[in-house]
Amino acid sequence: EPEVTQTPSHQVTQMGQEVILRCVPISNHLYFYWYRQILGQKVEFLVSFYNNEISEKSEIFDDQFSVERPDGSNFTLKIRSTKLEDSAMYFCASILGRLAKEETQYFGPGTRLLVL
Amino acid sequence: AQSVTQLDSHVSVSEGTPVLLRCNYSSSYSPSLFWYVQHPNKGLQLLLKYTSAATLVKGINGFEAEFKKSETSFHLTKPSAHMSDAAEYFCVVSDTGRRALTFGSGTRLQVQP
Repeated sequence: EPEVTQTPSHQVTQMGQEVILRCVPISNHLYFYWYRQILGQKVEFLVSFYNNEISEKSEIFDDQFSVERPDGSNFTLKIRSTKLEDSAMYFCASILGRLAKEETQYFGPGTRLLVL
Repeated sequence: AQSVTQLDSHVSVSEGTPVLLRCNYSSSYSPSLFWYVQHPNKGLQLLLKYTSAATLVKGINGFEAEFKKSETSFHLTKPSAHMSDAAEYFCVVSDTGRRALTFGSGTRLQVQP
């Protein structure tokens, strides 16, 4: 069964450094998403992406964050200058995008980011 | 705006007994509702979803949920708990499948032998 994959599974970085989290959505899917889950807190929506542009974003997704689909398969989340509070599990998700209401977002296994 | 309230942060049951995880939602639209499960150190797996068809929804691993519009509830049930059901369960709402999902705070299910 096709699945969303994410790399790396864990990343440790120093505060102020840039990180790029990578996702490979399911191959024929058209909509892509990033969510995060700070330890002990709710899963929170960050951004959605369709047709090479952001379609929706939350208040969390400020200028420190950017997303890109650099080729036909990868979908990346970049954090330009990491802060301690960016430490979280980051989930990528995708949907086919043809039937708005009936569709399910499929999630990857997540990348655990630790900012020191 | 939409929101989800999971009424119990922790639920503990004995193996073989019924499971009830409670969820209430608020949405301005006719919502889509989901239950996802997260096993330790794993990603989020869809258990079941409601998208305005039958109000009683059956999912994987014997779970089901009933959409009750009058009560704005979408409680998750299973007749008989198994040890492998121990995990974190999230109730999720969206106004369409494409839009951002709004997650509840999660319910940790513990299954005692």
